[in-house]
Amino acid sequence: GAGVSQSPSNKVTEKGKDVELRCDPISGHTALYWYRQSLGQGLEFLIYFQGNSAPDKSGLPSDRFSAERTGGSVSTLTIQRTQQEDSAVYLCASSLAGTPNNEQFFGPGTRLTVL
Amino acid sequence: AQSVTQLDSQVPVFEEAPVELRCNYSSSVSVYLFWYVQYPNQGLQLLLKYLSGSTLVKGINGFEAEFNKSQTSFHLRKPSVHISDTAEYFCAVSRFYNQGGKLIFGQGTELSVKP
Repeated sequence: GAGVSQSPSNKVTEKGKDVELRCDPISGHTALYWYRQSLGQGLEFLIYFQGNSAPDKSGLPSDRFSAERTGGSVSTLTIQRTQQEDSAVYLCASSLAGTPNNEQFFGPGTRLTVL
Repeated sequence: AQSVTQLDSQVPVFEEAPVELRCNYSSSVSVYLFWYVQYPNQGLQLLLKYLSGSTLVKGINGFEAEFNKSQTSFHLRKPSVHISDTAEYFCAVSRFYNQGGKLIFGQGTELSVKP
């Protein structure tokens, strides 16, 4: 079946612009995660959604970052007023149930470059 | 808080040689342990995981890892590597009772297999 998909695959933007990154999880997966992969910081957790529960936003680096998940499926990560340090690969993952022992399935990522 | 340390950032090895990628973790609570692999320009793929039971865990592509609670380690091994194993490998933990199972990753080890 289809895996996790993300769009766009690459995004180049100018400093100060807003960007939206999209994630389509595997059908039937109730949990969705966003991570960021950058040279300086490695792989970092950003935010987690589980069903209709309030999201865990504990990893968002600043209030310029936000995310939503509509209808328990597609998620959008929004970065406002982008800065050069936001340049990274943004990875989305989903799992069948949001429990610690569940395998997370990762998408190919969106490479964001802020000029 | 939890942390994961991958002791080698790069491991060069010749084809058909054995390899060990080292991972140590720090946590005040029980954790689940994972190894993920990232091939060039692809998302992360689960290699294996330790949840409970036997401390020797076998994964895909001939990899195995051993959980050592006293040394808080989860080293990854393969007896004979192939060129196709060239990739970046990430060790990760999630807390037993953490809501959502967010993953804490190590910095990654780049395995380079040479002919």
